[in-house]
Amino acid sequence: AQSVTQPDIHITVSEGASLELRCNYSYGATPYLFWYVQSPGQGLQLLLKYFSGDTLVQGIKGFEAEFKRSQSSFNLRKPSVHWSDAAEYFCAVGSDTGRRALTFGSGTRLQVQP
Amino acid sequence: EAQVTQNPRYLITVTGKKLTVTCSQNMNHEYMSWYRQDPGLGLRQIYYSMNVEVTDKGDVPEGYKVSRKEKRNFPLILESPSPNQTSLYFCASSAQLAFTGELFFGEGSRLTVL
Repeated sequence: AQSVTQPDIHITVSEGASLELRCNYSYGATPYLFWYVQSPGQGLQLLLKYFSGDTLVQGIKGFEAEFKRSQSSFNLRKPSVHWSDAAEYFCAVGSDTGRRALTFGSGTRLQVQP
Repeated sequence: EAQVTQNPRYLITVTGKKLTVTCSQNMNHEYMSWYRQDPGLGLRQIYYSMNVEVTDKGDVPEGYKVSRKEKRNFPLILESPSPNQTSLYFCASSAQLAFTGELFFGEGSRLTVL
């Protein structure tokens, strides 16, 4: 069964600093990988996705993620964090077999200090 | 505006009192799904639907029912709510049956069962 681990429950960074959120997945085949962001009181919004091809994917709001098959990782990065990036971030792995669901990690809450 | 609309957004109810959370999307999406979000557990799929009259169980279907009589609507029914169903619920839809597409989420419905 597929699974996703986000090892960091809570991260605090200073505004302007770089950011890396970790995500490790377990999946038998080539995974479909996603990062979603949830702002307080809101639903989830897609930041970026990886299906195949170039292992470095660009997303919205200046985010990028790198797929590393050897490490089963899909870490999210941003070179310079803005206060508006404070939110909860979810990594997810998708399956196009069976019931076609996204399996989500438990999330990482990002706090941005002025 | 393309959106997924859930109602109610907030609800406090008592054990055993049947309730329905409605979900409607205006994007003509075939795929719809319900998730619940609990602290430390991320989002877990309850039920999903690939098309009208086609529904199936997700990871945590116990205590829930769904129906898909129209393409745009996918209500979640709690026949006899219990306190362990206190959670934040999200409805989501997707245009593509193959899992390459983005999931669009509603803003969530926070349910408290006393």
